[in-house]
Amino acid sequence: TQTVSQSDAHVTVFEGDSVELRCNYSYGGSIYLSWYIQHHGHGLQFLLKYYSGNPVVQGVNGFEAEFSKSDSSFHLRKASVHWSDSAVYFCAVSAYGSSGNKLIFGIGTLLSVKP
Amino acid sequence: GPKVLQIPSHQIIDMGQMVTLNCDPVSNHLYFYWYKQILGQQMEFLVNFYNGKVMEKSKLFKDQFSVERPDGSYFTLKIQPTALEDSAVYFCASSLSGGIETLYFGSGTRLTVL
Repeated sequence: TQTVSQSDAHVTVFEGDSVELRCNYSYGGSIYLSWYIQHHGHGLQFLLKYYSGNPVVQGVNGFEAEFSKSDSSFHLRKASVHWSDSAVYFCAVSAYGSSGNKLIFGIGTLLSVKP
Repeated sequence: GPKVLQIPSHQIIDMGQMVTLNCDPVSNHLYFYWYKQILGQQMEFLVNFYNGKVMEKSKLFKDQFSVERPDGSYFTLKIQPTALEDSAVYFCASSLSGGIETLYFGSGTRLTVL
């Protein structure tokens, strides 16, 4: 069984600050990790994903995430946030090889960017 | 990027009625999904669908739920009859294939059961 944990329910930063949103997972097999963003009243938009290779993956709008097998983590980072980055960020895990791609989402982290 | 359209954006119905939520997935995608999100809570997997069949479903996918995609038209989620606890936002998603393919989500249908 795959599980994903996002330990921070709400993160507040100022525009131009760096930010790290944390994600930890548990699963023993081959794994696929991704991050999605949800602006208020909208659906989820894909940011980035990792399944093999370079543990640092680049996504849209300057986001990147780093996979760590030893820490069972896939934290999302951005060097300099913009007010438009304010949204809820969901980490998701999936065991690939299963039928379809059944993503298991974390509870989400609300990022608030102050001007 | 690829767009998934959901119709309607909001639906209000009385408990016990039937409701059909419609999803127009990305045109060349082959796998389809429904997720349920209760306000302020996490997104939860309901079901995935491929080649005319349910591949996997969660315990949230009650017997009153059904999915289909007749003749390549809308991918639908039908709830019959509805219950109060079915009130939530339902998100449709599609992917080109299974495995590690990216899921693309619609904007959701907010279902309110009175």
